[in-house]
Amino acid sequence: QQQVKQSPQSLIVQKGGISIINCAYENTAFDYFPWYQQFPGKGPALLIAIRPDVSEKKEGRFTISFNKSAKQFSLHIMDSQPGDSATYFCAASKGYSTLTFGKGTMLLVSP
Amino acid sequence: DAGVTQSPTHLIKTRGQQVTLRCSPKSGHDTVSWYQQALGQGPQFIFQYYEEEERQRGNFPDRFSGHQFPNYSSELNVNALLLGDSALYLCASSLPQGGTEAFFGQGTRLTVV
Repeated sequence: QQQVKQSPQSLIVQKGGISIINCAYENTAFDYFPWYQQFPGKGPALLIAIRPDVSEKKEGRFTISFNKSAKQFSLHIMDSQPGDSATYFCAASKGYSTLTFGKGTMLLVSP
Repeated sequence: DAGVTQSPTHLIKTRGQQVTLRCSPKSGHDTVSWYQQALGQGPQFIFQYYEEEERQRGNFPDRFSGHQFPNYSSELNVNALLLGDSALYLCASSLPQGGTEAFFGQGTRLTVV
């Protein structure tokens, strides 16, 4: 059973554009929703995270939007840059930080 | 401040063999989790160690076992390797409170031939 569904699988965005990645979860006990960025040959690195008591969180060019009633959350990357080209994973957890990951979105930002 | 370090970075093993992977957590972290990331997939939770005990376990067979030492470092052992065990094995460390940030190492790429 896949508890976190992520879409799209891949995404191509022009430099300066907005990248949007969506995730949906099933387990209402989840209370922590991070996004991770992973470059080839590297481990995932935390990008931004949100808790269900807020609907939006912004850090620089990265924004998480959270819809508790729909059990959905999304990552928006504003002014996308070629250096943002990576694989992005949404995740969710409850309790002691054991993360359930989505399948990932491969983002390519064209120059 | 060193982050999470894993060794070795790459490993090639033969089907049926046993392998041990190692992880040193970020300074100040006492909880270590292990994940398996197959090619093109998201990481899958294997198990978590805290106070030298396995606290939680994902849906992995008993061939996967682990250990945590008093200095919080950890080992992942896989017995009777299968071709399907080929993956990137990630170690993450965190504080024991729920929902805190998990820091990942660069992973160990295991290839089973």
